[in-house]
Amino acid sequence: EAEVAQSPRYKITEKSQAVAFWCDPISGHATLYWYRQILGQGPELLVQFQDESVVDDSQLPKDRFSAERLKGVDSTLKIQPAELGDSAMYLCASSPYRDKISTDTQYFGPGTRLTVL
Amino acid sequence: DQQVKQNSPSLSVQEGRISILNCDYTNSMFDYFLWYKKYPAEGPTFLISISSIKDKNEDGRFTVFLNKSAKHLSLHIVPSQPGDSAVYFCAASERETSGSRLTFGEGTQLTVNP
Repeated sequence: EAEVAQSPRYKITEKSQAVAFWCDPISGHATLYWYRQILGQGPELLVQFQDESVVDDSQLPKDRFSAERLKGVDSTLKIQPAELGDSAMYLCASSPYRDKISTDTQYFGPGTRLTVL
Repeated sequence: DQQVKQNSPSLSVQEGRISILNCDYTNSMFDYFLWYKKYPAEGPTFLISISSIKDKNEDGRFTVFLNKSAKHLSLHIVPSQPGDSAVYFCAASERETSGSRLTFGEGTQLTVNP
C-alpha cells in the first residue's frame, strides 16, 4: 500500500538553528499539505501545494518558515531560526485532489517530531 | 477562534460496548466532515466522512451522524474493541469555497478496556 514518507522521524535542535523536513507524497498525488500539531491540539495547516504551486500559506509564519515543492513531487519545509515554541509534530499529507469539489481523502505521513532546546 | 471543538479530551469504555465521540463546529460554511484516528508515533488515518447533504454514514462498526441545525456530529463505534484505543480527530472543510483545507478539533483519547 502506498504511503506518505517523511524524514527525519525525530529531530532535536537548539534554538536559533536551522532545521529542514522532507516529505514524499503518494505517487500521483497532486496536492501536498504541511501541518503542525502541538501536543494536545489538532493538526493545523501551514501550507498547501497544488503540484508545484502554493495555494494556501496563510498560516505559515513566513518570517522563519519556508516551504517548496520545486518539481511538484516531494517537498521540504524549513525553519530558520528555530524557536522554543516550534516544538511540535510536523505532518505531511497528500491527496489526489484536483478539483475544488472533491471527496478525496488526505493521507498522512508518520510525521517529524521536532524538539527545540 | 476554535471552529471545530471536541469537548471531551478522553473517553473510556468497555470492550463490546458503544463508544460515542462528539464534535461541535461553529462555521456554517463547513460542508464536509471527516474523522481521523491516530495511534502514537503515527500520522492520522482516515476513518469515515460525511457530506452535509447527509445525516448519517455507516462503514462497518463505524457510523457518523451529522446534525446541521445543531452544528454537531458524532462518531459511534459498535462494538468497541481494544484496538480502537487511539486519539480521534474530527475535521471539517468548506469544499464549495476553500477546497480541501481541513480544520481539526483537539482530539479525544479513546481507551477501550478488555
